[in-house]
Parts: sequence; C-alpha cells; structure tokens
Amino acid sequence: DTGVSQNPRHKITKRGQNVTFRCDPISEHNRLYWYRQTLGQGPEFLTYFQNEAQLEKSRLLSDRFSAERPKGSFSTLEIQRTEQGDSAMYLCASSSTSDFNDEQFFGPGTRLTVL
Amino acid sequence: QKEVEQNSGPLSVPEGAIASLNCTYSDRGSQSFFWYRQYSGKSPELIMSIYSNGDKEDGRFTAQLNKASQYVSLLIRDSQPSDSATYLCAVNADYKLSFGAGTTVTVRA
Repeated sequence: DTGVSQNPRHKITKRGQNVTFRCDPISEHNRLYWYRQTLGQGPEFLTYFQNEAQLEKSRLLSDRFSAERPKGSFSTLEIQRTEQGDSAMYLCASSSTSDFNDEQFFGPGTRLTVL
Repeated sequence: QKEVEQNSGPLSVPEGAIASLNCTYSDRGSQSFFWYRQYSGKSPELIMSIYSNGDKEDGRFTAQLNKASQYVSLLIRDSQPSDSATYLCAVNADYKLSFGAGTTVTVRA
C-alpha cells in the first residue's frame, strides 16, 4: 500500500493559464476528496467523489474549477484561467465506505504558485 | 462564527512536559473527530480519531471528547522535539472535514 499520491508536487504558472492536478487514492478506497490550504489556515473542503460520482461541491469551487474521477480510481482537478488568489496547496485525501469512522488520509499535496 | 475553533497558540512547552490543545465545534450533528499533525511544508497526517464521549489514548497522545460541550482536546505527554508541528482539529459532518486553523506547538529542548 503506497498511500495517496499526487502529481505534480509543485506547479508554477502564469495568471490566465490552465493547470491540471492528479490524485491517486489508496487502492481500496472508494471515496476521494479535494481540499485547498492557504498559509496559516486549515484545509478547506472543495469537493468529493464516491466511486465515479461527484457527490458534493463547495461554494468555494468557482466555475473555473472542475474535478473528475472517470473510472472511480484516480481523479483530476483542473483550474482554468488561473488567478493569483488560486495560489495554495491542493490536497487530496481518500477513505473507504467500509470504514464506519471515515478516516481520511492525505496525499503530499500539490503546491500551486500563480505569478 | 467559525465551524471549528482551536486555541490560537503558538504553544511552547519544554521537553518532557504535557502539551494541551483545545478545539470547539459548532455542528451538534458531528459524529467523528480527528487530530492531524502537519509539519511545515508537508501535508496533514492523521494521529488520532475519536467518536465517543470520554478519553482515548494512543501512546503519548490522549484525545478527549465532550459532545455536550462540543469540545475536543488533545494531550501530548512527554513532549519531544519531534512533536514540534501544527496540530489541526477536524470535524466530520456529512463526509467532509471541517478544520480549525491549527495550533503550532514548539517543544524546547
């Protein structure tokens, strides 16, 4: 079991560009979550999937953000027309519906810097 | 009102002492409560989960939950320099986690 993996680990982009991040959850986990964390704050929920279904999206997730999990395995988070305010750490976590306590385990994160 | 609030810190304790971290939450329907440790520049690491009122001990860590008071705490006994990190309180409501802003702990050698 290799844990949750995320790629890339760092991304520097210019304002207005599109970026895409990938998350591979723990293999037996069917729930996958995206969070965003800025300096000095706790992570903020963005969206989550159960298998391939996107079940909830935060109001924080503007129309420029889209997430997919097409086959219920890995997920991608795309940000279109990036803004400087999008600079943050993007965290992916996974859990299993067979875990009544729904413990969520985080990947290493993707740090986005928008210039 | 923030959903999850933690004592603001930073908290500095001498090596070998007890570090006490507190957290309150607003959603009475919350059922699961977690403590994550986050080293600078790294992602959160789950260190404790608690679901029932009372205490839960795991090694040098003890989590305490009081649902009536909507209060969760974490005690770190025999604090070590490696415990220096930010500790995040998280509350599970409808599958998503709501986090506090974290309390930064520094253990002085």
